[in-house]
Amino acid sequence: AQTVTQSQPEMSVQEAETVTLSCTYDTSENNYYLFWYKQPPSRQMILVIRQEAYKQQNATENRFSVNFQKAAKSFSLKISDSQLGDTAMYFCAFMKRGPGNTPLVFGKGTRLSVIA
Amino acid sequence: NAGVMQNPRHLVRRRGQEARLRCSPMKGHSHVYWYRQLPEEGLKFMVYLQKENIIDESGMPKERFSAEFPKEGPSILRIQQVVRGDSAAYFCASSPVADNQPQHFGDGTRLSIL
Repeated sequence: AQTVTQSQPEMSVQEAETVTLSCTYDTSENNYYLFWYKQPPSRQMILVIRQEAYKQQNATENRFSVNFQKAAKSFSLKISDSQLGDTAMYFCAFMKRGPGNTPLVFGKGTRLSVIA
Repeated sequence: NAGVMQNPRHLVRRRGQEARLRCSPMKGHSHVYWYRQLPEEGLKFMVYLQKENIIDESGMPKERFSAEFPKEGPSILRIQQVVRGDSAAYFCASSPVADNQPQHFGDGTRLSIL
C-alpha cells in the first residue's frame, strides 16, 4: 500500500516571496505519478502540477515547480512570487501507473496562507 | 465544456435517513471515482466505477454504502441509515478511458447529518 505524508500542517508566506511545501511518500512501485492539488476556500480541487516518476526533469507550471527526488521519495512544491490567490489547502497525491486507471492516494494537506 | 457536475452542493439529512449523491462526469469520460474528505483531512478513496461496472471498491465501508454508474445517467453514491460520522465532503472525479489519465474533480457535496 502507498502512503503520502505532508509534515507541515500550516505555513505562511509574505506576498511576492517564495515558499516550499514538503511531501514524502512510500511505495514499492517503480512507475507512478505524483500530483499537487490546490483546494481554495471554495473547496474545488484544482490540479496544480503533475510529475511522471520515469522523467528525471522536474515539472514546472508558471510560478509552480517541483523538486522530485525519486531515491528519497520526496516531492516538494515551490511557489514563486506568491499571490494572495494562492491561499489554499495544498494536497500531495500519488497514483500508481496502470494498465488502466488507479485511484489517487492523498496526503493530509498543508494549509498555506499568503499574507499581504 | 462542462466539468464534473455534482449535486446537490449541500445535503442535510437526519440520522437514519438515506442520502443520494449524484455525479455526472466530464463529457467523454467514462471512469468515475468517489472520495470522502473528513474535516481537516485529505481525500480518501472510496470506489472506482466504469459504466455498469465497479472496478475497485476497496475504500467503501462494508455496510450502508453503495455506488452505481448506470449505462444512462449520473453515478450515484448512496448512503443508507446515515449516522453523524457520515458528515463529510464527498468528491467525485472522472477520467477518460485511456490509461493513466489525470482525474478531474467536481466541486463536492457537503453532507451534514443532524
